[in-house]
Amino acid sequence: AQSVTQLDSHVSVSEGTPVLLRCNYSSSYSPSLFWYVQHPNKGLQLLLKYTSAATLVKGINGFEAEFKKSETSFHLTKPSAHMSDAAEYFCVVSDQRDSSYKLIFGSGTRLLVRP
Amino acid sequence: EAQVTQNPRYLITVTGKKLTVTCSQNMNHEYMSWYRQDPGLGLRQIYYSMNVEVTDKGDVPEGYKVSRKEKRNFPLILESPSPNQTSLYFCASSSAGRGNQPQHFGDGTRLSIL
Repeated sequence: AQSVTQLDSHVSVSEGTPVLLRCNYSSSYSPSLFWYVQHPNKGLQLLLKYTSAATLVKGINGFEAEFKKSETSFHLTKPSAHMSDAAEYFCVVSDQRDSSYKLIFGSGTRLLVRP
Repeated sequence: EAQVTQNPRYLITVTGKKLTVTCSQNMNHEYMSWYRQDPGLGLRQIYYSMNVEVTDKGDVPEGYKVSRKEKRNFPLILESPSPNQTSLYFCASSSAGRGNQPQHFGDGTRLSIL
């Protein structure tokens, strides 16, 4: 069975410094992986996705993630944090089953950005 | 505008009083799903539907029902709500695929069951 682990429940950075949100997954085959962001009182918005093309994936708002099969990781990074990046971030793996699939969510990482 | 619409956004009700949360999408998506979000647990899937008249259980289906009579609608039904179903609920949709399509989420429904 697939699973996903977000290694930090909270990450705090200063504005203008790099962001690293860590995600590890387990999968018995080549997975599809996603990062979503959730702002307060809002639904989830897709940041980026990996679907077996390029291992370095660029997303919206300057975020990117690198798929590392040998480390079973899909960490999310951004070179310079902005106050508007403060939100909760979810790493998600797609669990393929025969003719259907389901998404498995990590428990989330709350990003705090200090002025 | 492409969107997933949930109603109501907020609801406070009492144990045992049947309720329905509606979900509608205007993107002609085949796949629809319901999740609940609880602190520290991320999102857990309740039910999903691959297409009209095709539904399947997710990880936490107990106490919930769904139906998919039309492609655009996927209501979530709580026949006899209990306090442990107090949560934030999200509906999502995506186009058909092999699990590599991004989900489009509604803004959520916050249910409080007393």
